[in-house]
Amino acid sequence: GENVEQHPSTLSVQEGDSAVIKCTYSDSASNYFPWYKQELGKRPQLIIDIRSNVGEKKDQRIAVTLNKTAKHFSLHITETQPEDSAVYFCAAHAGGTSYGKLTFGQGTILTVHP
Amino acid sequence: EPEVTQTPSHQVTQMGQEVILRCVPISNHLYFYWYRQILGQKVEFLVSFYNNEISEKSEIFDDQFSVERPDGSNFTLKIRSTKLEDSAMYFCASSEARFPRNEQFFGPGTRLTVL
Repeated sequence: GENVEQHPSTLSVQEGDSAVIKCTYSDSASNYFPWYKQELGKRPQLIIDIRSNVGEKKDQRIAVTLNKTAKHFSLHITETQPEDSAVYFCAAHAGGTSYGKLTFGQGTILTVHP
Repeated sequence: EPEVTQTPSHQVTQMGQEVILRCVPISNHLYFYWYRQILGQKVEFLVSFYNNEISEKSEIFDDQFSVERPDGSNFTLKIRSTKLEDSAMYFCASSEARFPRNEQFFGPGTRLTVL
């Protein structure tokens, strides 16, 4: 089955700096890669996603890149703010007959210091 | 903006008891999921449900677990005989359709504590 590895497990940056979180996946049939932000005690919130026919997607300060050949994808947050502090999870969805099972990475605790 | 809702927010039960966790997916969504997250760990897939039947399940989803859509709005997860290791946050999610309209939106979760 699919396996998703996420790095780093913790990331500490100064306000205004950029943050990059990287994930690798194992199943070449995976075709959809969402990123979720989870604040303490809250639900995972979808912040951006990318599909396998696209190499990059941007939404304001957040961007995601996908390298299908290398089977890795990354989340980039620019001009970080203290409210970006949260746990970020990447996930992969296998194509084919999969009915939507998402396999999650281990999570990255992002701390943005004012 | 429509959201997935879940009840209760926190459930405490004794080992061996049955629990039912309830979810109301977003109204025009057709695909429903349960995930769990043990404290401090990653989110794990349990089961997906479409057209009134299970479409996919993980190794975690054994005979002690079952899901049901008893009416047009609710989606439930039942654990027949809870174990200590079932203590976790359980998230319901829903999506409108399959790929490419397959964004999954999560509910706020039910924290299950088994004593």
